[in-house]
Amino acid sequence: EDKVVQSPLSLVVHEGDTVTLNCSYEVTNFRSLLWYKQEKKAPTFLFMLTSSGIEKKSGRLSSILDKKELFSILNITATQTGDSAVYLCAVEEGSNYKLTFGKGTLLTVNP
Amino acid sequence: AAGVIQSPRHLIKEKRETATLKCYPIPRHDTVYWYQQGPGQDPQFLISFYEKMQSDKGSIPDRFSAQQFSDYHSELNMSSLELGDSALYFCASSQGTSGIPSLDTQYFGPGTRLTVL
Repeated sequence: EDKVVQSPLSLVVHEGDTVTLNCSYEVTNFRSLLWYKQEKKAPTFLFMLTSSGIEKKSGRLSSILDKKELFSILNITATQTGDSAVYLCAVEEGSNYKLTFGKGTLLTVNP
Repeated sequence: AAGVIQSPRHLIKEKRETATLKCYPIPRHDTVYWYQQGPGQDPQFLISFYEKMQSDKGSIPDRFSAQQFSDYHSELNMSSLELGDSALYFCASSQGTSGIPSLDTQYFGPGTRLTVL
């Protein structure tokens, strides 16, 4: 059975801190790994990663994929209270494009 | 930019009733996915459609059915509702099997919150 495991499940930091969220996976036909941010509503797309070792950046967020070790990390630097959310990692299968989600990491950024 | 539209946004039903959820994908997106997210849970894949044909089936109960219409919108029909069906139902759309990852990203609608009493 395909699995996506995120850690930590929950994280509380202060504004300005840097955080690293982890996602490991086991799928039979990997196509891509996606990161989403969910704030009590629909997940919003952050990154899609398909190749190992290539960092994707968007402002203070960055992510990288390691296809050999089957994991990805999402980094957030200089965190702000608006970064508080659940960050979901999902893996897309090649044959049918369905997403398998991890349970998410609840990030709380305190002022 | 146009996003995925779902209706209704909230729905309250009683046990054993039926419900129909609608999803209108982003223009030019030909693929629709349905996900169910229970309270405090991660989204679970239910079913997907590409070019009006079912492309994959996940943990969708037999009491549920879905289809994609000629205008690419999709409807999720739920019958004999149970208390455990109370959840947020997300629809996502993509350009599906273009083979170009940047085009195949799934974009989610705002969800329909279904409450079964």
